[in-house]
Amino acid sequence: SQTIHQWPATLVQPVGSPLSLECTVEGTSNPNLYWYRQAAGRGLQLLFYSIGIDQISSEVPQNLSASRPQDRQFILSSKKLLLSDSGFYLCAWSVTGEYGGYTFGSGTRLTVV
Amino acid sequence: GDSVTQMEGPVTLSEEAFLTINCTYTATGYPSLFWYVQYPGEGLQLLLKATKADDKGSNKGFEATYRKETTSFHLEKGSVQVSDSAVYFCALSPGTSYDKVIFGPGTSLSVIP
Repeated sequence: SQTIHQWPATLVQPVGSPLSLECTVEGTSNPNLYWYRQAAGRGLQLLFYSIGIDQISSEVPQNLSASRPQDRQFILSSKKLLLSDSGFYLCAWSVTGEYGGYTFGSGTRLTVV
Repeated sequence: GDSVTQMEGPVTLSEEAFLTINCTYTATGYPSLFWYVQYPGEGLQLLLKATKADDKGSNKGFEATYRKETTSFHLEKGSVQVSDSAVYFCALSPGTSYDKVIFGPGTSLSVIP
């Protein structure tokens, strides 16, 4: 069966520090991968999506970046965090053509102080 | 472009009350429609889906019918429980090559005993 792992679950980081959030998918090949951010009490904002290794698209300009070093690994990074980067970060995956929607990870709660 | 509109709430109901959360969409072509649920502190879970007009998705007592003529996908449950307290997201997938899913803003539901 397919599973998605996201870590860490919670993170408190000072302003200006770097960030690395990791997401891995098991049980499927060549998934489409997504990073979303959810600010407190607000909806979902798509940050990045990837339909293959080295194929990453950014939806919103920001100081975050994403990488996909392996087929089933998706990493969200920042060189210098801002207070406004605080939020709940969600990774998700889907399979092209199945139109079954997304499967989400359990999320990372990031607080920048 | 494609979009999803839903009542933002918050919605507060007494236990065993009837629930309706309205959702309407704008899309070209024939999208698939979804309801996701997010329990406090967790990621999103797919609650139900419908892939073509007049399809009814159902799960855990929740139902939604894909109405193409009114471009709607309202979520209903006959008798809510305290454990149904969560945020509910309506979403559509236009069926693009990478299965992009467009989410509504979410509706917060609180069920009181």
